[in-house]
Amino acid sequence: GAGVSQSPSNKVTEKGKDVELRCDPISGHTALYWYRQRLGQGLEFLIYFQGNSAPDKSGLPSDRFSAERTGESVSTLTIQRTQQEDSAVYLCASSLSGQRNSPLHFGNGTRLTVT
Amino acid sequence: TQLLEQSPQFLSIQEGENLTVYCNSSSVFSSLQWYRQEPGEGPVLLVTVVTGGEVKKLKRLTFQFGDARKDSSLHITAAQPGDTGLYLCAGAAGGYQKVTFGTGTKLQVIP
Repeated sequence: GAGVSQSPSNKVTEKGKDVELRCDPISGHTALYWYRQRLGQGLEFLIYFQGNSAPDKSGLPSDRFSAERTGESVSTLTIQRTQQEDSAVYLCASSLSGQRNSPLHFGNGTRLTVT
Repeated sequence: TQLLEQSPQFLSIQEGENLTVYCNSSSVFSSLQWYRQEPGEGPVLLVTVVTGGEVKKLKRLTFQFGDARKDSSLHITAAQPGDTGLYLCAGAAGGYQKVTFGTGTKLQVIP
């Protein structure tokens, strides 16, 4: 498939555990975004990558959240010491260049449940 | 912080009715996109508008970008059950075109 792929699709974890979410963007897309979506709501920006650099991390909620991107491809979002309020769908999107009019192509998200 | 407020939040209508969804902000955007999201999936792009006052039509959907590029509307004519979903507006601004999403409008079209 040529779309954005996210794994796992569902993750249930206990409070206090660390989790790692993965995003495989469309090949050749230099821009990559992570968003968080609470049930039935809009998307909350977390972080933006251009290549392997993250010029905008302003949406990360706390220092428990971090993300990296390697090879201008795969990105991982790590949440340390998970809390119940971290429960949400985490969506990854990529775009060709991050320029105006570049549409975002989304994966189907990872649904995270913290018990 | 750039905020995009959508109204209404929820809309339940009968098949065949018309509806309009609004997306408002105090910030100026260089472009605005509309997405539709279905349960269990990521949002899918419907349209991008870039010029103040621009109107774009996609079958029964009409999108308008405000003259000041701070607001937008989505009008659906003769809604069908297949139009059911979460509609999201998203504005792009800034040096790298940071994309900020609206609060969403959940539409249900009843057969």
